[in-house]
Amino acid sequence: AQSVTQLGSHVSVSEGALVLLRCNYSSSVPPYLFWYVQYPNQGLQLLLKYTTGATLVKGINGFEAEFKKSETSFHLTKPSAHMSDAAEYFCAVRLNNAGNMLTFGGGTRLMVKP
Amino acid sequence: GAGVSQSPSNKVTEKGKDVELRCDPISGHTALYWYRQSLGQGLEFLIYFQGNSAPDKSGLPSDRFSAERTGGSVSTLTIQRTQQEDSAVYLCASSLGRGGGARTSGSTQETQYFGPGTRLLVL
Repeated sequence: AQSVTQLGSHVSVSEGALVLLRCNYSSSVPPYLFWYVQYPNQGLQLLLKYTTGATLVKGINGFEAEFKKSETSFHLTKPSAHMSDAAEYFCAVRLNNAGNMLTFGGGTRLMVKP
Repeated sequence: GAGVSQSPSNKVTEKGKDVELRCDPISGHTALYWYRQSLGQGLEFLIYFQGNSAPDKSGLPSDRFSAERTGGSVSTLTIQRTQQEDSAVYLCASSLGRGGGARTSGSTQETQYFGPGTRLLVL
C-alpha cells in the first residue's frame, strides 16, 4: 500500500520568505510524484511532477521540488513567497506499475503574511 | 475551452434523492478519473476509466455510487439515495492515458488535468 504524508496542515510565511512544504511517501517501488495547487473554489492545478531522470524538478510560479529516494521525500520549495502563493497544496503519488489513480496527502494550506 | 469541464458547478439536494454529475474530459484524453474531496477524508480516488477497458471501481465507497463513460468521452457519476456524508466536492480529471507498448520516460501521459469540480450539498 502507498500513502502520502504532508507535515503541517497549515504553514504561514512572510512575503519574501522561503516556502517549504513537506511531503513524505511510503511505497515499495519508486512512484511518480506530483504537487498540485488549489486556489479557493477552483480545481487542482499541476505545479510540477517527477517521473524519472533529474531528481530536482522545476515547476510553475517559481516552485521546485527534489525527489530524495533515501528519505522517501518530495518537499516543495520556493525561495521567496508572494501573496499570490496563498493556496492549498497537495502532494500526490502514483505507482508506476499498478493502477493509475493518484493518492493524495492531506494538503497544506499556505498563508502569506504581508 | 480546452480544459476539463464539469457540471453542475454546485448542486443542492435532499437526502434520499439521486444526483448525476457530469464530466467532459480534454479532447483526446483516453483516461478519466473521479475523485472526491471532503473535509473529513481529504482527496480520495473513486473510479478510473481507461479507453474501452473495464473501469477500476476500487475507490467507490458504496454501491450507491456508480459511473459510466459513454463513447469514450463524457462521464457521468451517479449517486443514488444520497446521504449527508456524500456532501463533498467531486473532481474529475483526465489524462492522455496509456497507449500500446512500453511506458515512456517522463511522458505527459501520466499528468492528470483536473476540472473545477462539482460542489454537492446534501441536506
